[in-house]
Amino acid sequence: KNQVEQSPQSLIILEGKNCTLQCNYTVSPFSNLRWYKQDTGRGPVSLTIMTFSENTKSNGRYTATLDADTKQSSLHITASQLSDSASYICVVSRLSGAGSYQLTFGKGTKLSVIP
Amino acid sequence: GAVVSQHPSRVICKSGTSVKIECRSLDFQATTMFWYRQFPKQSLMLMATSNEGSKATYEQGVEKDKFLINHASLTLSTLTVTSAHPEDSSFYICSARIRGGSNEQFFGPGTRLTVL
Repeated sequence: KNQVEQSPQSLIILEGKNCTLQCNYTVSPFSNLRWYKQDTGRGPVSLTIMTFSENTKSNGRYTATLDADTKQSSLHITASQLSDSASYICVVSRLSGAGSYQLTFGKGTKLSVIP
Repeated sequence: GAVVSQHPSRVICKSGTSVKIECRSLDFQATTMFWYRQFPKQSLMLMATSNEGSKATYEQGVEKDKFLINHASLTLSTLTVTSAHPEDSSFYICSARIRGGSNEQFFGPGTRLTVL
């Protein structure tokens, strides 16, 4: 069964601190993995995208890693800011036949950055 | 960058009425648009895939007669929730895939539907 599991469910950190969010998946055949940031009441915004051959991808203070062998990914946020408070969603894409792709969404990690 | 808009951003309606939500790709053509529903603290659930000029493909368990989808042009798809009930209250998000581009989907800001 194609699944994406994220941990922790929620996280509270102090402003300026770093944190790491985890994503484990069983999606197959794997196409790519994306991390999205979703602010409350808004649509998801893409942070990073990684294919099978990529181990790490950075976007400013966000750094994503991918271990395709263990089917694990992480999103590391450096020097957190209050505006980082949001849900972070891991999404894995698989090729589902006839050239189409299917996305499997994790439930997200709700991050709260406090002063 | 690729921008997707939705209108309205939030709507409150009475039970039994129909509500139309628009999804537009503002600066690109989208042959395929997707409609998702998201309940509180849950992940996005795909409802249907909409291809321009053809009938939408609905996911298992999604009633096509209740959630009418029209993809009349390369920049517009609409979702109509017919005879809405309180259990239809949710956050509806559309996404669009660029015509001739990669498989990346660009998400709209979402529409909060509340049925009283």
